[in-house]
Amino acid sequence: DTGVSQDPRHKITKRGQNVTFRCDPISEHNRLYWYRQTLGQGPEFLTYFQNEAQLEKSRLLSDRFSAERPKGSFSTLEIQRTEQGDSAMYLCASSLVSSGHNEQFFGPGTRLTVL
Amino acid sequence: GENVEQHPSTLSVQEGDSAVIKCTYSDSASNYFPWYKQELGKGPQLIIDIRSNVGEKKDQRIAVTLNKTAKHFSLHITETQPEDSAVYFCAASENSGYSTLTFGKGTMLLVSP
Repeated sequence: DTGVSQDPRHKITKRGQNVTFRCDPISEHNRLYWYRQTLGQGPEFLTYFQNEAQLEKSRLLSDRFSAERPKGSFSTLEIQRTEQGDSAMYLCASSLVSSGHNEQFFGPGTRLTVL
Repeated sequence: GENVEQHPSTLSVQEGDSAVIKCTYSDSASNYFPWYKQELGKGPQLIIDIRSNVGEKKDQRIAVTLNKTAKHFSLHITETQPEDSAVYFCAASENSGYSTLTFGKGTMLLVSP
């Protein structure tokens, strides 16, 4: 257990529905990342926050995806109008940015299945 | 952008043997290379990393080597045990890890007793 928690662990939804996932990082970590992982692939970067600010978004993050980290602690990732192609594992990671170090610690992920 | 290739995709060894997983990267600006182990149903776990100012790093049975000129790095596991069975991912990043990670596609390591 890395100390990063994600909720829910599994989500099954019908195409067109909206879903929201939550990530709670390690408490003192100021960076929070979202990745997506499909079967047989490595995690792919989606977006990251430093404190409350969303500093970078991948081209993979379509307009249907939105992420927030309102108080610089937990974060939510919302997918609107889900599509079958959104089925994947959504991973959250956190890190403490300090001089010379930025090791990322991952949570267990939320597995999304879109029917 | 960065592209990370990882080989082999699967690796089967007998308990006690060594295992080697290799990765190549494309962006010469990358200078931080972590390795993650992912067990079924869990998120990736950082097991070792190396920065471009060193050529090798060791932690007990695990070692990583880096060849900046050839842009490749490798994970070496000695005296493998069944609990080493998992999927291993290499990754690369610029700015000592302050930039985002680009991952390889993973290697499924199976260690038979």
